[in-house]
Amino acid sequence: QSLLTQPPSASGTPGQSVTISCSGANSNIGRNSVNWYRQLPGTAPNLLIYSDNRRPSGVPDRFSGSKSGTSASLAISALQSEDEADYYCAVWSDALNGQIFGGGTKLTVL
Amino acid sequence: EVQLVQSGAEVRNPGESLRISCEVSGSNFGSHFIAWVRQVPGKGLESLGLFYPGDFDAKYNPSFRLHVTFSADRSTNTAFLQWTSLQASDTAIYYCARQAHDGHHLDFWGQGTLVTVSP
Repeated sequence: QSLLTQPPSASGTPGQSVTISCSGANSNIGRNSVNWYRQLPGTAPNLLIYSDNRRPSGVPDRFSGSKSGTSASLAISALQSEDEADYYCAVWSDALNGQIFGGGTKLTVL
Repeated sequence: EVQLVQSGAEVRNPGESLRISCEVSGSNFGSHFIAWVRQVPGKGLESLGLFYPGDFDAKYNPSFRLHVTFSADRSTNTAFLQWTSLQASDTAIYYCARQAHDGHHLDFWGQGTLVTVSP
């Protein structure tokens, strides 16, 4: 059971917008910035959003992140079939010497 | 272009030892932490800890501290993850990833190494 709670699944149709939530606590999201990773089927995760709302170069602006208090969200607009993937939120943990990852949300594009 | 290339899949018996590798190119190897992350097939991601090749400083997730060892060879820009006695519960995909300078996010990832421990 992760300290960061994500819905196990989400879905949308092409062109729609979808939001994935990540709920934590004062000790994690409330204290540190949130990162989001996308894992396409059969591949390694890759960085999608960092420092709550910043996009690495090459990530389209259809992807956006936000944070408020102890919760964060990843929004995907203009959904495409290739967005089908698992999405993980994560925050730094000094105690673990690494990221705490959410349980992941499987996004299905119908 | 930054690339992390990991060694191939491994199959071992319980109790055996193993070392897997992660070769880094396109990046100053000694100036970034390398994170190790595991994923049990069909499950989520879990951090094992960090290794800093610049001074060989290893920081472990307490849950894995006594079971794995991080190391590196700076002459080949390669980081290693090692077990001396594997258990069936170690069966997973292991990823190495580079930690960015300007935060704790992992900006480049290896392709993963599947480790299967089975009698």
